[in-house]
Amino acid sequence: KQEVTQIPAALSVPEGENLVLNCSFTDSAIYNLQWFRQDPGKGLTSLLLIQSSQREQTSGRLNASLDKSSGRSTLYIAASQPGDSATYLCAVRRGGGSEKLVFGKGTKLTVNP
Amino acid sequence: NAGVMQNPRHLVRRRGQEARLRCSPMKGHSHVYWYRQLPEEGLKFMVYLQKENIIDESGMPKERFSAEFPKEGPSILRIQQVVRGDSAAYFCASSPAGVGYNEQFFGPGTRLTVL
Repeated sequence: KQEVTQIPAALSVPEGENLVLNCSFTDSAIYNLQWFRQDPGKGLTSLLLIQSSQREQTSGRLNASLDKSSGRSTLYIAASQPGDSATYLCAVRRGGGSEKLVFGKGTKLTVNP
Repeated sequence: NAGVMQNPRHLVRRRGQEARLRCSPMKGHSHVYWYRQLPEEGLKFMVYLQKENIIDESGMPKERFSAEFPKEGPSILRIQQVVRGDSAAYFCASSPAGVGYNEQFFGPGTRLTVL
């Protein structure tokens, strides 16, 4: 059974700092991995999707890496801003034709001005 | 191009009533997924549907819950005889058909409160 763990559960940083969020998964047989952002009381916004054959994806100040063999992914946020404050969720899609995503519980990020 | 739409955004029901949650996928998307987020928990998969077919319902509770995605109209998640433990945020996601395209786009969610 696939399990996804995100560490830390919460993180508070001053504005301008670079930071890394961690995601680990127990079954390396994944099809892809997605990072999402969730604002309080809102839905999920997809940030980056990494296919199992890829090592990283970049979008603006965000960079996500994937090490499938070790069951790890990191989300790197450069030059953090107060507007980055949100909960960041990691989700994996299992291989073998399964469509469902398995989510971690998220990391709640607070960027202080 | 409108995103995934869900309504209502907030729903209050008393124990024993029925709850109906609606999801309209993005234009051109024929795959719909329902997830539930319990307080202080991560999102959990419930069911995956294509038009007129349930493909995977492995995450659906065996009783009181049902889902459909008719040929015309939105997908419906129905919860009969709601209990307090059903209070949660219910999210719908959609994706296009086709091999290799696999990103899921999420709606804003319906927050169900059972009194």
